[in-house]
Amino acid sequence: SQQGEEDPQALSIQEGENATMNCSYKTSINNLQWYRQNSGRGLVHLILIRSNEREKHSGRLRVTLDTSKKSSSLLITASRAADTASYFCATDARGSYIPTFGRGTSLIVHP
Amino acid sequence: NAGVMQNPRHLVRRRGQEARLRCSPMKGHSHVYWYRQLPEEGLKFMVYLQKENIIDESGMPKERFSAEFPKEGPSILRIQQVVRGDSAAYFCASSPSSGALSYEQYFGPGTRLTVT
Repeated sequence: SQQGEEDPQALSIQEGENATMNCSYKTSINNLQWYRQNSGRGLVHLILIRSNEREKHSGRLRVTLDTSKKSSSLLITASRAADTASYFCATDARGSYIPTFGRGTSLIVHP
Repeated sequence: NAGVMQNPRHLVRRRGQEARLRCSPMKGHSHVYWYRQLPEEGLKFMVYLQKENIIDESGMPKERFSAEFPKEGPSILRIQQVVRGDSAAYFCASSPSSGALSYEQYFGPGTRLTVT
């Protein structure tokens, strides 16, 4: 099964609201990354958080990591219509450099 | 500095034909990864290459699929005798170093393969 699983599968919100997506994984990891994919495009890297970090910020993005619960969350504050995309988490398990992607959360931000 | 380039962007092949997908990594990057994405799914790792070396091909089907990254030129993912189930988006990513997620990967726009 997938190492990383995003939740929810789909999220629909109004512009200006916050969007929270979660990622759960099964085995110990070195790093966890969040990517965005616009429809029909390649993935764009958003944030990398290492296993010894608990929180990271980048602009309107906030990522948390709870290794005891094997979960991470991505918060997008003050969402914009341009944030409409699919968001994926990717983990690399300890001892492996092969990243494993979840199925993604499809976010729709209505203007 | 141009990003990761992939071509063609769209490729249509009939069953039984060969599909050849190309990926030029970012300048200065010597590590290339290929992924396959089916509709509504995440990316599935296929193969990890460095110049002239296949480092890990554990995600690649044993038959009909092959990949190379020659000393000169782009990385090539080759699918022989394509079947309808090969229809997917194929993404290439590059990074400047090993340890895939120790350094972020830069993705190309993908090649959408349709097998008719």
